[in-house]
Amino acid sequence: AQKITQTQPGMFVQEKEAVTLDCTYDTSDPSYGLFWYKQPSSGEMIFLIYQGSYDQQNATEGRYSLNFQKARKSANLVISASQLGDSAMYFCAMRGLLYGQNFVFGPGTRLSVLP
Amino acid sequence: SQTIHQWPATLVQPVGSPLSLECTVEGTSNPNLYWYRQAAGRGLQLLFYSVGIGQISSEVPQNLSASRPQDRQFILSSKKLLLSDSGFYLCAWTLRGGQGYGYTFGSGTRLTVV
Repeated sequence: AQKITQTQPGMFVQEKEAVTLDCTYDTSDPSYGLFWYKQPSSGEMIFLIYQGSYDQQNATEGRYSLNFQKARKSANLVISASQLGDSAMYFCAMRGLLYGQNFVFGPGTRLSVLP
Repeated sequence: SQTIHQWPATLVQPVGSPLSLECTVEGTSNPNLYWYRQAAGRGLQLLFYSVGIGQISSEVPQNLSASRPQDRQFILSSKKLLLSDSGFYLCAWTLRGGQGYGYTFGSGTRLTVV
């Protein structure tokens, strides 16, 4: 079965500093995608970044980058130069080929950016 | 471009009353459709998903049901709401055929059962 683990229920970071949100996964799928979503207090789920399991390079999208270590089965999200607007819940998710192609979500990490 | 509409945004309903939440997708065909529920400060719980008209899979036995009367319409219903049905409900869609396709979520419905 597929599983996503996010071991940090809550994180604090000072404005303008970088922060890493941890995500580890477990799957027997030979091919899969890893995603990060942001959920601000309004509730909407905002797609941030995607990494394919066969991608050779780590994905980057503006201030977001994904530190993908396939052998360790980790897909950590790095946010550079944190802003107050980054305060939100962050969910790591995975979609594989074998298990109905439904997403598996982690429990989330609540990030608070301090001024 | 593809868009997803979900309504209403907020809903306060008495215990025992019926429920109908609607979600529609525009700009795509044959999407996979999903209903999730989220308790306050918690993760996402998959309730139902559908890969086609009339095809509904239930992940968690409960007081709710789902229907897909049209290709791009997904409805979440209940005949009699319970207090435990309170939560934030999210509809989502994705394309089939590859792990590279992410979910696009609706804006959510905050349901309070009183």
